[in-house]
Amino acid sequence: KQEVTQIPAALSVPEGENLVLNCSFTDSAIYNLQWFRQDPGKGLTSLLLIQSSQREQTSGRLNASLDKSSGRSTLYIAASQPGDSATYLCAVRGTGRRALTFGSGTRLQVQP
Amino acid sequence: NAGVTQTPKFRVLKTGQSMTLLCAQDMNHEYMYWYRQDPGMGLRLIHYSVGEGTTAKGEVPDGYNVSRLKKQNFLLGLESAAPSQTSVYFCASSYRDSGGYQPQHFGDGTRLSIL
Repeated sequence: KQEVTQIPAALSVPEGENLVLNCSFTDSAIYNLQWFRQDPGKGLTSLLLIQSSQREQTSGRLNASLDKSSGRSTLYIAASQPGDSATYLCAVRGTGRRALTFGSGTRLQVQP
Repeated sequence: NAGVTQTPKFRVLKTGQSMTLLCAQDMNHEYMYWYRQDPGMGLRLIHYSVGEGTTAKGEVPDGYNVSRLKKQNFLLGLESAAPSQTSVYFCASSYRDSGGYQPQHFGDGTRLSIL
């Protein structure tokens, strides 16, 4: 059974810092990996999706990498802003599965 | 473009009552999903559908039923509500093309409390 872990559970940084959020998964036979953002009381917004054949994806100040062999993905946020404060979740789609397995998320607070 | 719409947004039920949560998507997506989110546990899949008229069990299906009579709608039913079903319920939809499975789009959730 796939298990997805995100460490740390919470993170507080001053504005302007570059930061890395970590995601690890136990079964490397994945189809793709997706990073989401969730604001309090809201649904999930897709940030980046990395197919299993890809190593990284970039969108603006966000960069996500994928290392299947080690079962890890990182989300890099450059020049963090208070508006980046949210919970970030990673989710893995396994081969043969049509749905996602989620991590518990990292709650990020960017201090002005 | 509304995306994924969930109704109701909030609901309080008494133990033993039944209710139906509605999810509607206007993106013509084939795949639809119901998740529940509990503190510290991430999202867990309840049921999903790969097309109109088809449904399948997810990780935590007990106590729930679903129906997909129309492509754009996915209903989640609680047959006899229990306090353990207090949670935030999310619906999502997605599709697949030549590039593979595409990102899931989520609704804003239904906050359900069972007393």
